[in-house]
Amino acid sequence: NAGVTQTPKFQVLKTGQSMTLQCAQDMNHNSMYWYRQDPGMGLRLIYYSASEGTTDKGEVPNGYNVSRLNKREFSLRLESAAPSQTSVYFCASSELGRVPEAFFGQGTRLTVV
Amino acid sequence: QKEVEQNSGPLSVPEGAIASLNCTYSDRGSQSFFWYRQYSGKSPELIMSIYSNGDKEDGRFTAQLNKASQYVSLLIRDSQPSDSATYLCAGYGGATNKLIFGTGTLLAVQP
Repeated sequence: NAGVTQTPKFQVLKTGQSMTLQCAQDMNHNSMYWYRQDPGMGLRLIYYSASEGTTDKGEVPNGYNVSRLNKREFSLRLESAAPSQTSVYFCASSELGRVPEAFFGQGTRLTVV
Repeated sequence: QKEVEQNSGPLSVPEGAIASLNCTYSDRGSQSFFWYRQYSGKSPELIMSIYSNGDKEDGRFTAQLNKASQYVSLLIRDSQPSDSATYLCAGYGGATNKLIFGTGTLLAVQP
């Protein structure tokens, strides 16, 4: 049972390049999230999807787009990468409900040069 | 102001002592709260969740919630060096219905 799987684990981009971070979960969870983590900033919510077919902005959505492809998959796209998007990106999933215990993928370390 | 606030630390405690980690939140509508542990270079791992006022115990960990004071805490009894990590507090629900994290508190348990 893999849980939440993110690809790639590491990526280096040049400024202006685009890329898509992939996330898939096999826990049949309804909700999925994308966070970024920078030193001293904790986890900041970029986008989330409460259920299949819905997406909503989080705390720091600018420069990102998402697609909830199906119940299992939630992708994050950087259309034109900037050095400020250098970060560690985490995908998470949870059930809907009053106490949505979220489980995280292993993270993607992205460097934009 | 962040919706969920934590002291960044570091909090240093001797081995065997009680570590007390604190968190405050601004959205009174928040329904449930979570404590995650994150080792350096690893992903966050869920330790405890709590949604009712009072205490919830699980082994050496006790989570406390006080909705009137908008305050959540995590106590770690008999702290071990292996507990040294960053502890993240998260809140869910309220106006945004999103899972929002604090900045985390770095705990160092000294042998």
